[in-house]
Amino acid sequence: KNQVEQSPQSLIILEGKNCTLQCNYTVSPFSNLRWYKQDTGRGPVSLTIMTFSENTKSNGRYTATLDADTKQSSLHITASQLSDSASYICVVSGPLTGGGNKLTFGTGTQLKVEL
Amino acid sequence: NAGVTQTPKFRILKIGQSMTLQCAQDMNHNYMYWYRQDPGMGLKLIYYSVGAGITDKGEVPNGYNVSRSTTEDFPLRLELAAPSQTSVYFCASSYNWKGQDEKLFFGSGTQLSVL
Repeated sequence: KNQVEQSPQSLIILEGKNCTLQCNYTVSPFSNLRWYKQDTGRGPVSLTIMTFSENTKSNGRYTATLDADTKQSSLHITASQLSDSASYICVVSGPLTGGGNKLTFGTGTQLKVEL
Repeated sequence: NAGVTQTPKFRILKIGQSMTLQCAQDMNHNYMYWYRQDPGMGLKLIYYSVGAGITDKGEVPNGYNVSRSTTEDFPLRLELAAPSQTSVYFCASSYNWKGQDEKLFFGSGTQLSVL
């Protein structure tokens, strides 16, 4: 069964600190792995997308890594800001039979950044 | 550029009532998707469409219907609302799936309660 598991479930850090969120998956076939940020009451917004051959990808203070052999990914947030408070969702993508992508979503890590 | 627009933002239904969740995108995307997000769960695909006139079932299609008469619009219909359909519904769109960095754009969601 295709699954995406994220840890920790929730995390509280002080502003300015770094943090790393984890994602393990068992999805097959695999097209790419995505990290999304979801603010409360809003839809998810894409942060990074990595294919099988990519090990790391950055988007500003967000850096995602991918180990396709162990089926693990991480999202590192540097110098956190209050606006980073959100749910971070790991999503693994594979092709749909009729076209488009089948996305398997993790349940997210709820990050809170405090002063 | 509005992106993906969903209406309404909130709705309360009685058991057995019907309603249509509206979704429109102005990015000329071919692919559109409906997801539901239950508390503590990852998003689940309800239906998707690869172009006008073409729709297909996702993981959890029971109790829902869709149509895609234009590229821009992808409404989701609930015929006989049940408490199990209480959820947050997200519409999303993408240009195509063949590109490795194909990105999904999400609407801001519709919070539906069935009582």
